[in-house]
Amino acid sequence: GNSVTQMEGPVTLSEEAFLTINCTYTATGYPSLFWYVQYPGEGLQLLLKATKADDKGSNKGFEATYRKETTSFHLEKGSVQVSDSAVYFCALRNTGFQKLVFGTGTRLLVSP
Amino acid sequence: NAGVTQTPKFQVLKTGQSMTLQCAQDMNHEYMSWYRQDPGMGLRLIHYSVGAGITDQGEVPNGYNVSRSTTEDFPLRLLSAAPSQTSVYFCASSKPQGAKTYEQYFGPGTRLTVT
Repeated sequence: GNSVTQMEGPVTLSEEAFLTINCTYTATGYPSLFWYVQYPGEGLQLLLKATKADDKGSNKGFEATYRKETTSFHLEKGSVQVSDSAVYFCALRNTGFQKLVFGTGTRLLVSP
Repeated sequence: NAGVTQTPKFQVLKTGQSMTLQCAQDMNHEYMSWYRQDPGMGLRLIHYSVGAGITDQGEVPNGYNVSRSTTEDFPLRLLSAAPSQTSVYFCASSKPQGAKTYEQYFGPGTRLTVT
């Protein structure tokens, strides 16, 4: 079956530190991969996506590369800000389907 | 566009009570879904619909009913609330834009407590 595994949090960083949140997946076929972000008290927002192997999704300074050989989609940012504090979810969707399969989420806490 | 709206934002129920969580979208999206979010478990799919009149079960459907009489609305009914249904509920919608680019838009959530 399809599944997504994320690193457990919380991840605690100081402002301007480098961020990596690991995500690996198991899927049949060729899924699309997503990172969603949930700010406190809000719903989920799409942060970035990649639809095929070696694609790089990017948005707001965040990046993630679809690595088929390692079945990974790690989220990175070169310099985090306090405003990046949120919960980050990795998700996949198989071709031809609309159902998303989510990881458990990783909470990021950035201190000044 | 208001996007995806959910009501109420907060609700407290007693065990055995029933209620309906409302979800509406004004983007003419065919696909709508309900998730529940629990600590350490991410989001789990409860029910989904690929269009008006068509619904199907997700990963955790027990204790919930849905219907889809219009494209815009997708209410979630709790038949007899149980403490295990204490959770945050999210509604989402999407419209096919190509083979692999279905972006789902999420509502702000309903926080439900069952005592």
